[in-house]
This record gives sequence, structure tokens and C-alpha cells, in this order.
Amino acid sequence: AQSVTQPDIHITVSEGASLELRCNYSYGATPYLFWYVQSPGQGLQLLLKYFSGDTLVQGIKGFEAEFKRSQSSFNLRKPSVHWSDAAEYFCAVAQYSGGGADGLTFGKGTHLIIQP
Amino acid sequence: ETGVTQSPTHLIKTRGQQVTLRCSSQSGHNTVSWYQQALGQGPQFIFQYYREEENGRGNFPPRFSGLQFPNYSSELNVNALELDDSALYLCASSLGLARTDTQYFGPGTRLTVL
Repeated sequence: AQSVTQPDIHITVSEGASLELRCNYSYGATPYLFWYVQSPGQGLQLLLKYFSGDTLVQGIKGFEAEFKRSQSSFNLRKPSVHWSDAAEYFCAVAQYSGGGADGLTFGKGTHLIIQP
Repeated sequence: ETGVTQSPTHLIKTRGQQVTLRCSSQSGHNTVSWYQQALGQGPQFIFQYYREEENGRGNFPPRFSGLQFPNYSSELNVNALELDDSALYLCASSLGLARTDTQYFGPGTRLTVL
């Protein structure tokens, strides 16, 4: 069965500093990978996704992620964080059965704290 | 374009009761998925509906059931509520069943079981 691991439960970064959130997946075939962000009391907003092609994908709000098959990783990065980036970040992989997509498997999330 | 909406926002029930949560999918989307997010955890897939039929199901007992209507809105029903059912319930809609079809999430319904 597929799984997603986000090794860091909490990360604290100073405003203006760079950010990298880690994500490792376990999936037999080519993974379809996503990063979502969840602000307090909100639903999930899609930041970016990877299906195939260029392994460096650009998303909204200045985020990017790099797919590395050899390391089974899909780490999220941002060159300079803003206080408004404080939120919970989830990495996910799309499940697939013979009949089609079958929901997303999420990691447990990384809570991002921004220091002034 | 209207996004995914859910109702109610919050709900308090007691153990053993039944609850119905509702979701309106984004315009043009025929697929709805439901997730349970316990406090401090990532969302867990409950089931998915495509054109009014259940298409896939996660590791949840049969007391979790659903419906999808001709307008593609959806309901999640939970019978015989247990304390562990307390969670944020998220609905997501997508254009179809392909893995490339992005799931767009609603704001969720916070269920508290006492």
C-alpha cells in the first residue's frame, strides 16, 4: 500500500528565510504527488502537483517542489517565507485502482511557524 | 465560479446518534470524495462517488455511508456515532476519476461527539 511520510512535525523559520519541507512516498508505480496547505479553520488549498515531465514544478504563492525518484522524495521549497505562510502543509499521493482514482493518501502534515 | 461548500460548519452530537453532512461540489465536477481529519493528523480517505455510484472506499466501517445526487452534491452519513468520530470532515470535488484530476476541498464540517 502506498504511504506518505513527512518527517518534520513542526518547523520554525524566520521571516525572509528559505524553507524546505520534506516528503517521502512509498508507491509502486509512477506517483502522482501533491502539496496542499491548510490554514487554521480552513479547508485544503492546492499548492502544486506533479504527474510527469519536468521534475521541478512551480506552484502558487512562490512555492516549488522537486520530484526525485531515486530518493522517493517530493520536497517543497520557497526561497523567502512571509508571515502569511504560517500554516499546516500536507504532502499527498493519488491512489489508483483499476476503476480510476481512489482518493488521496496524505502525510501527517508539517506545522510551519514563522518567526518575525 | 462557486467553490466547494459544506454544511453545517460545526455540529455537536452524542454517542450513538446519527449525523448527516452535506457537500455541494464545484460547478462542472461529477466526482466527490470525503475525508476524515482527526486532530493533528492528515486527512484519511473515506469514500468517493462518481455519477451517483460509490467508486472507491477507504478503511472505514459500513456505518459510514454516502449518497450523491443528480446535481452531484453529496451527503455523508454516519450511524451509531462513537467518540473517535470527532473530527473535521472534508469534502473534495474533481472533474472526474483520473489521477490527474485535481481535488478541490471545501472548508469542512467540524463534528464533535460527546
